[in-house]
Amino acid sequence: QQQVKQSPQSLIVQKGGIPIINCAYENTAFDYFPWYQQFPGKGPALLIAIRPDVSEKKEGRFTISFNKSAKQFSLHIMDSQPGDSATYFCAASKDQAGTALIFGKGTTLSVSS
Amino acid sequence: NAGVTQTPKFRVLKTGQSMTLLCAQDMNHEYMYWYRQDPGMGLRLIHYSVGEGTTAKGEVPDGYNVSRLKKQNFLLGLESAAPSQTSVYFCASSPLWGRVNTGELFFGEGSRLTVL
Repeated sequence: QQQVKQSPQSLIVQKGGIPIINCAYENTAFDYFPWYQQFPGKGPALLIAIRPDVSEKKEGRFTISFNKSAKQFSLHIMDSQPGDSATYFCAASKDQAGTALIFGKGTTLSVSS
Repeated sequence: NAGVTQTPKFRVLKTGQSMTLLCAQDMNHEYMYWYRQDPGMGLRLIHYSVGEGTTAKGEVPDGYNVSRLKKQNFLLGLESAAPSQTSVYFCASSPLWGRVNTGELFFGEGSRLTVL
């Protein structure tokens, strides 16, 4: 059973567009929801994270929207740039229990100039 | 500051051969992890460790063994490599915040393994 479902698998937008990547989770015990960004040939790196006590978090051009009742969260990238072209992973964990992150399958984003 | 270092970066094995991937972190992190990344499958947890001398199974542990004899090192072993283990392997570490895992993982740059 896939605990974190991510969509779409790939996404192409023009520079300045607002790509949106969605994730859904099954386990209501999850209490930590990060997004990781990965460039080719590199390891993933934390981009932004949210906990279920807030519905939205912004860091620069990146925003997480969180819907606890629907068990869904999404990443929005404002004014996307070619340098944002990367693979994005959502993840979830029962952080308070110190358990490991479970990742979605990833979304490959391409921002054309 | 090196962060998380994985060796080797590339390796080609024949079916049935054994090998060990080494992960070293210099950030004094308590938690360490091994993930594998395959196209369309995302990152899947193989094994992890919550401290020196402890290990635990993740989602896909079969065919792998691990050891954490020193806090800074986490070894991933393949006793008898199979083509299905062709993948990119990532090691990661994370610190504690008080008594709770902060959740942020710091990844190495990966080790690409091909099993023929």
